[in-house]
Amino acid sequence: AQKVTQAQTEISVVEKEDVTLDCVYETRDTTYYLFWYKQPPSGELVFLIRRNSFDEQNEISGRYSWNFQKSTSSFNFTITASQVVDSAVYFCALSEARDFGNEKLTFGTGTRLTIIP
Amino acid sequence: DSGVTQTPKHLITATGQRVTLRCSPRSGDLSVYWYQQSLDQGLQFLIQYYNGEERAKGNILERFSAQQFPDLHSELNLSSLELGDSALYFCASSVQGMAGELFFGEGSRLTVL
Repeated sequence: AQKVTQAQTEISVVEKEDVTLDCVYETRDTTYYLFWYKQPPSGELVFLIRRNSFDEQNEISGRYSWNFQKSTSSFNFTITASQVVDSAVYFCALSEARDFGNEKLTFGTGTRLTIIP
Repeated sequence: DSGVTQTPKHLITATGQRVTLRCSPRSGDLSVYWYQQSLDQGLQFLIQYYNGEERAKGNILERFSAQQFPDLHSELNLSSLELGDSALYFCASSVQGMAGELFFGEGSRLTVL
């Protein structure tokens, strides 16, 4: 069975600090996909990134970066120079994508990030 | 704006009642997923439809049912409602073949009193 663990329930940092959100996953499959979603106070879920299990290159997008390490089954998310608008709940998710057209996600419990002005 | 439309945005009803939540996926997306988000259970996958057929089932109660119509919109029916059914219900759709890249609607917040 697949599982996603986000051990950090809540994190608070002062604006402009860097912050890393941890994600550890479990799966028996060799092909899988990892995701991060953001849920701002307004409630919608916003897709941030998708990574497949064969691509371990780290990715940077502006102030966001992601570190994928298969050896430790982790897919951590770092926000550099945090801003108040980054305050949200962040979810890590896993898809095993065994069947075409069957792409359900298993979500972690989320990390509530609060950026203090 | 994800392109996924959910109605209603908010719904308040009483225990024992039945409600229907509606979802229109992004244009061209064949898959529709329903998720429930509650404080104690987190984000739970309920059910998936692909081009009108049920494709995967998760932690969906027998009191709940869903369907996807020929125009690809989907409805989630919740019956014999209990207090514990109060939650945010999300619909998502996906690009065919793009594993897991789900686009979520804004959700329907159900409150059962």
